[in-house]
Amino acid sequence: AQSVTQPDIHITVSEGASLELRCNYSYGATPYLFWYVQSPGQGLQLLLKYFSGDTLVQGIKGFEAEFKRSQSSFNLRKPSVHWSDAAEYFCAVVPRLIAGGYNKLIFGAGTRLAVHP
Amino acid sequence: DTAVSQTPKYLVTQMGNDKSIKCEQNLGHDTMYWYKQDSKKFLKIMFSYNNKELIINETVPNRFSPKSPDKAHLNLHINSLELGDSAVYFCASSHPPSDRDYSETQYFGPGTRLLVL
Repeated sequence: AQSVTQPDIHITVSEGASLELRCNYSYGATPYLFWYVQSPGQGLQLLLKYFSGDTLVQGIKGFEAEFKRSQSSFNLRKPSVHWSDAAEYFCAVVPRLIAGGYNKLIFGAGTRLAVHP
Repeated sequence: DTAVSQTPKYLVTQMGNDKSIKCEQNLGHDTMYWYKQDSKKFLKIMFSYNNKELIINETVPNRFSPKSPDKAHLNLHINSLELGDSAVYFCASSHPPSDRDYSETQYFGPGTRLLVL
């Protein structure tokens, strides 16, 4: 079945430590890939996206993600986490458009990041 | 200079009532969406309109009726509210989907937190 999986429900890291959030997808053709962040009580903000080309994508707030076709993964990374990065992180996909297709975001279950001082 | 706005931010109501949530975007986008985030933070698309025309209608109870009076507005009316309707409802907008090899980024509003008692 087509799906987006975020294996880690909760992750806790120390401030200044590196971070990697995992995302795997299961689609016949590589979908468009996104990472969104949701701070407590807030809406969703786009961190970065991958459509094609360079498999290492740079985003806002110092985040990057690497697309690995062989692993069907799009993991999010940050070399040094700040306390303000504590939030819920969502991986999302849009299946490749077909003629007349629709821009439907399909979300993973989210990973809650806690940052210790 | 708010891009996607929603009103109200919070909505507390009794079971059986009818309520509406409004969404407005000033980004000049043609396509708008409603997503529902349940108590476990899971996000799922409900509807999408492109230029006032319904293009995505997921398996949502027909008590939910979206209305798009113009391209900049997409409202969500809910009849006979049930306990299970308690959730956060997010509006989003984007340029219209196309058959070019990329997906249009969706911009989200801050959410409307609905609590049905």
